[in-house]
Amino acid sequence: AQSVTQPDIHITVSEGASLELRCNYSYGATPYLFWYVQSPGQGLQLLLKYFSGDTLVQGIKGFEAEFKRSQSSFNLRKPSVHWSDAAEYFCAVGSGGYNKLIFGAGTRLAVHP
Amino acid sequence: DVKVTQSSRYLVKRTGEKVFLECVQDMDHENMFWYRQDPGLGLRLIYFSYDVKMKEKGDIPEGYSVSREKKERFSLILESASTNQTSMYLCASDWEGGYGYTFGSGTRLTVV
Repeated sequence: AQSVTQPDIHITVSEGASLELRCNYSYGATPYLFWYVQSPGQGLQLLLKYFSGDTLVQGIKGFEAEFKRSQSSFNLRKPSVHWSDAAEYFCAVGSGGYNKLIFGAGTRLAVHP
Repeated sequence: DVKVTQSSRYLVKRTGEKVFLECVQDMDHENMFWYRQDPGLGLRLIYFSYDVKMKEKGDIPEGYSVSREKKERFSLILESASTNQTSMYLCASDWEGGYGYTFGSGTRLTVV
């Protein structure tokens, strides 16, 4: 069965520091992979997605993610974090037809000034 | 911009009540989804619909039903609310082949 693991429940970084959020997936075929962000009191917003092709994907708000098939990973990165990036981040994998998604448990990011 | 509107931001209901959560999208999307979000568990799919009157169970359908009489509206029904259904409920829509969900802002339901 497909699954997504986000090993870090909570991460704290200083403003201006680099960021990497980890995501591992389990999926038999070539996966469709996604990162979403949820700001406090808001719905989820799509940051970026990977379907095929270049394994380094650029997204909105300065985020990028790299697909590594050998490690079954799709880690999210940002070179310099801003205080407004404090939010919860969810990794997801496409699961079968009708665009169903399976989400990880999420990583809550706190940013110190 | 695509909008997905959930009718209530906060709801408090009593155990045993029948509860309706409404979701409306304005972009003619074929697919609509209901997820519940719980701390430490992420989002779990309850039900989804790929067309009017068509529905499929997700991973945790027990205690829920859905209705899609019109393409733009997808309702989640708790037939007899229980305290373990206290949660944040998120609706999403997507066009077939899109994989670019648009989420509503969520309904935080408390069952007392």
